[in-house]
Amino acid sequence: EIVMTQSPATLSVSPGETATLSCRASQSVSSNLAWYQQKPGQAPRLLIYGASTRATGIPARFSGSGSGTEFTLTISSLQSEDFAIYYCQHYNNWPPAFGQGTKVEIK
Amino acid sequence: EVQLVESGGGLVQSGGSLRLSCAASGFTFSNYWMHWVRQAPGKGLVWVSRINSDGSNPNYADSVKGRFTISRDNAKNTLYLQMNSLRAEDTAVYYCARDRISIIATDAFDIWGQGTMVTVSS
Repeated sequence: EIVMTQSPATLSVSPGETATLSCRASQSVSSNLAWYQQKPGQAPRLLIYGASTRATGIPARFSGSGSGTEFTLTISSLQSEDFAIYYCQHYNNWPPAFGQGTKVEIK
Repeated sequence: EVQLVESGGGLVQSGGSLRLSCAASGFTFSNYWMHWVRQAPGKGLVWVSRINSDGSNPNYADSVKGRFTISRDNAKNTLYLQMNSLRAEDTAVYYCARDRISIIATDAFDIWGQGTMVTVSS
């Protein structure tokens, strides 16, 4: 099974700045990688699929990149509503697996 | 509005059973693979199970295989998760989620329910 590792565990960022989150797969997942945002007490929300394609309704300040084993989620000009936990997830083969999450907090 | 609403969670003793339901609306339920994903308190997301559009092909994570059964009733637009032989480590919020593309399984999830809490006491 593929193991997903996210870094850092916590990222402190000021509003208006850029946050860069990393996700590494234990073996290649091609571009079969999704990113989700989760706020306290809420369900996850799909942000990115195919490593770089924004889901419906997701603002352009969210961008994804990478392929193979190394992936990045970039959030530009952080807004107050962007402070949350972000999870990457591969769906290259079965079973799908999530990373442990990166918490983006206000600096 | 596309929506998933879970129900059926609660407090159960170790070794007990519980059946979760997920009512779908706003889309053609019978066209989509559906999934269950869980999240233990303060922990990350873990995929649990999936089922194809007509209910003939279920799959499970090793941690629940032989204890949980996923099923669906397309006439009722409802997904189920029958959980038997529950353990303390099954304590979690259980989310149902829709696969991102109709007909095929991508195992990426574009619509999620609000979740239902299952607590297993030891």
